[in-house]
Amino acid sequence: GAGVSQSPSNKVTEKGKDVELRCDPISGHTALYWYRQSLGQGLEFLIYFQGNSAPDKSGLPSDRFSAERTGGSVSTLTIQRTQQEDSAVYLCASSSGYEQPQHFGDGTRLSIL
Amino acid sequence: RKEVEQDPGPFNVPEGATVAFNCTYSNSASQSFFWYRQDCRKEPKLLMSVYSSGNEDGRFTAQLNRASQYISLLIRDSKLSDSATYLCVVKGGSTLGRLYFGRGTQLTVWP
Repeated sequence: GAGVSQSPSNKVTEKGKDVELRCDPISGHTALYWYRQSLGQGLEFLIYFQGNSAPDKSGLPSDRFSAERTGGSVSTLTIQRTQQEDSAVYLCASSSGYEQPQHFGDGTRLSIL
Repeated sequence: RKEVEQDPGPFNVPEGATVAFNCTYSNSASQSFFWYRQDCRKEPKLLMSVYSSGNEDGRFTAQLNRASQYISLLIRDSKLSDSATYLCVVKGGSTLGRLYFGRGTQLTVWP
């Protein structure tokens, strides 16, 4: 498909485990964003990649969170030693340029037991 | 102060009503503005961009007042399918172009 693709769509894991979430942006989109959204809450910015620039990591809530974007395309968000408060929907979005809107993937619903 | 502030609602209106949502933003250097729509347990989807001169897309009209740092969305002739959360989104003035999302305004249209 032509949209933003995220995997897995659902992830259930035990507290303390590490998880990796994947985002495949729309082809050609230079900007990639990660957000999370807890039930009934607004979007919380996590990290932003733009081309070859250093990512804006200002939204990462702790050093357990990290993200990479390899080759300017696919991105992986890693959460180490997961905690119950990490349970949320993790959304990825991409855009084609500075003035352009973002297009979101369906999200990964993460549940920490 | 939050970057983007919205009245969370909820707004409950009958079909056919006109409803307006407001949003204010704090960074005067913000350059791009959008309204997104988010259905329950779904991802946000772009509804429309907001231009300085105001713009209309069918039943939806968006307005921007840069002097007051204020954005609005007007929905005319509301449909049941308009029920959703409406997110005000502002692209900040930083060179990295980060987007700031409001918490959203919840709309329910009843028959």
